[in-house]
Amino acid sequence: EAAVTQSPRSKVAVTGGKVTLSCHQTNNHDYMYWYRQDTGHGLRLIHYSYVADSTEKGDIPDGYKASRPSQENFSLILELASLSQTAVYFCASAENQNTLYFGAGTRLSVL
Amino acid sequence: GDKVKQSPSALSLQEGTNSALRCNFSIAATTVQWFLQNPRGSLMNLFYLVPGTKENGRLKSAFDSKESYSTLHIRDAQLEDSGTYFCAVLGGNNKLTFGQGTVLSVIP
Repeated sequence: EAAVTQSPRSKVAVTGGKVTLSCHQTNNHDYMYWYRQDTGHGLRLIHYSYVADSTEKGDIPDGYKASRPSQENFSLILELASLSQTAVYFCASAENQNTLYFGAGTRLSVL
Repeated sequence: GDKVKQSPSALSLQEGTNSALRCNFSIAATTVQWFLQNPRGSLMNLFYLVPGTKENGRLKSAFDSKESYSTLHIRDAQLEDSGTYFCAVLGGNNKLTFGQGTVLSVIP
């Protein structure tokens, strides 16, 4: 069974709307990450967290917020979705920044 | 410019042959990871490396921190090896930076 679960698996949102992507891990890992992948490109780090109730900015945090209410859960929030945020979003967990374990991804389309 | 560069960007391999993928980086790296993204989009970890080498079945990977590169060798390529291979480097800022990927197609 998947240890990193993302929901929803896909979503269509309207420009200016609020979008929340959820991630749940059962690995008991300290670190959790949100990455975005654009077609034909690698992954870019949006936000990450190494402890509950604390989040850190990644390389492309603008337009995104993150929330880590517990060790198991990490959410990515788009307060005002824009066309440029259409992408596939991956959540991952890791113990002490070691091997990353990814979720299956969420395909977000902003129209 | 890109801090982590992978080469080649795309590669076609005949089934049963060997090849090597390369990851060069311009940041001081402590660890390197290699991932395979299959055609369905799922990401799977292949290797986690400190300086040195690791081997797993038909795959072998090396990380040279002094020369700032890592390699992934594929031996006896199979159809299921097809997908996009990413390297990711942990730098001194404690952030993992991904390369742009190598798209591998194994053909019968």
